[in-house]
Amino acid sequence: IAGITQAPTSQILAAGRRMTLRCTQDMRHNAMYWYRQDLGLGLRLIHYSNTAGTTGKGEVPDGYSVSRANTDDFPLTLASAVPSQTSVYFCASSYDSSSGANVLTFGAGSRLTVL
Amino acid sequence: GQNIDQPTEMTATEGAIVQINCTYQTSGFNGLFWYQQHAGEAPTFLSYNVLDGLEEKGRFSSFLSRSKGYSYLLLKELQMKDSASYLCAPMDSNYQLIWGAGTKLIIKP
Repeated sequence: IAGITQAPTSQILAAGRRMTLRCTQDMRHNAMYWYRQDLGLGLRLIHYSNTAGTTGKGEVPDGYSVSRANTDDFPLTLASAVPSQTSVYFCASSYDSSSGANVLTFGAGSRLTVL
Repeated sequence: GQNIDQPTEMTATEGAIVQINCTYQTSGFNGLFWYQQHAGEAPTFLSYNVLDGLEEKGRFSSFLSRSKGYSYLLLKELQMKDSASYLCAPMDSNYQLIWGAGTKLIIKP
């Protein structure tokens, strides 16, 4: 079934630890995105990639890094987790990031708790 | 700055009609999206408007007025499964989506 797979589904992490959230899509979409969603706030863009080999910073990039070695994978790394990074993380993809009709497909989300 | 305003929560009755409003201010405009998000799940695409007017898709319709910076999502013949959050997201001049906090819709029998 075509779509986006995120892992892990949920994770409890000690502050200061390194964590990588995985995201894989099989739709051959060019663009991929990482968002965080916190209660009472809209989705906030962390990092994005318009095409394989390129990445860009979103609204809240500090403390996060990404890579896009190929079309399918877009991992998000927290180098040293802090409690304020407790959130639900959504990976998304779309066919063309420079088109108006840029419909996003989302993964199921990764719930991260940093203690 | 860029800003999205939509009601935090609305309540409606099964079988009724509800309108969820969204006002926005963005740097440039390349259309507006509505997404539905059930609790604990991912957002899913509902509609996209780039021109003024009403777009109808089954029980759901979406309206856009670019000059007023205003959109609404109209849900008819409400069903219990429509209980969800509805996210308004205009797209700015850089094709970046600006997300509202969402409107939580509660459907009562």
